[in-house]
Amino acid sequence: IMLTQSPGPLSLSPGEGATLSCRTNQTTSNSYLAWYQQKPGQAPRLLIYGASRRAAGIPDRFSASGSGTDFILTISRVEPEDFAVYYCQHCESTSLMYTFGQGTKLEIK
Amino acid sequence: QLQLQESGPRLVKPSETLSLTCSVSGGSIRTTDYYWGWIRQSPGKGLEWIGSIYYSGSTSYNPSLRSRVTISVDTSKSQFSLKLSSVTAADTAVYYCATGARAPGYYYGMDVWGQGTTVTVSS
Repeated sequence: IMLTQSPGPLSLSPGEGATLSCRTNQTTSNSYLAWYQQKPGQAPRLLIYGASRRAAGIPDRFSASGSGTDFILTISRVEPEDFAVYYCQHCESTSLMYTFGQGTKLEIK
Repeated sequence: QLQLQESGPRLVKPSETLSLTCSVSGGSIRTTDYYWGWIRQSPGKGLEWIGSIYYSGSTSYNPSLRSRVTISVDTSKSQFSLKLSSVTAADTAVYYCATGARAPGYYYGMDVWGQGTTVTVSS
């Protein structure tokens, strides 16, 4: 499975809402889609698993949805600490192989 | 709470084998409840999954790296390891170990990561 994220860099001001997209080239179960946040010099941080479930400690301004081939990560009101790169990830249920999208950089406008 | 720490040489010569170890603390590696994986990130690039191993010893590898990768577990040391053979400059990257809970029919994501270790391939 290939994952394509959009948009390219997303430029927003703090307080605005963000919508990030992840599209798979094959229909996939929601159970196998995750989202991560990565800041410079840091390891990725799990935000969402099962396409829509927030990981422990993740603020509720982060939400996600989607099904089939189209998945969305939404940040309701972007905080200064949210400027980072966001990756979607898929786990292939039978072969247990993992694929990351190319990432979307959320940058300050 | 599980914690992971990568270790290993930071500089590897071309054509040699890159070897890294991930030490697991705060929990047991002897569990079927978790999988153990390696991910890398080349300078300025995105994340690339290398491979994963399960307590049973079964492994899965990125097809693009499969011929050069071996991941193993040493339960006595609470560690799992990565070996990548015949390295080139293209293998220069930050290497992360990571883990997450597993369950049939569901993926819980990789919720625990090591801090990452930078490995440079150069003569």
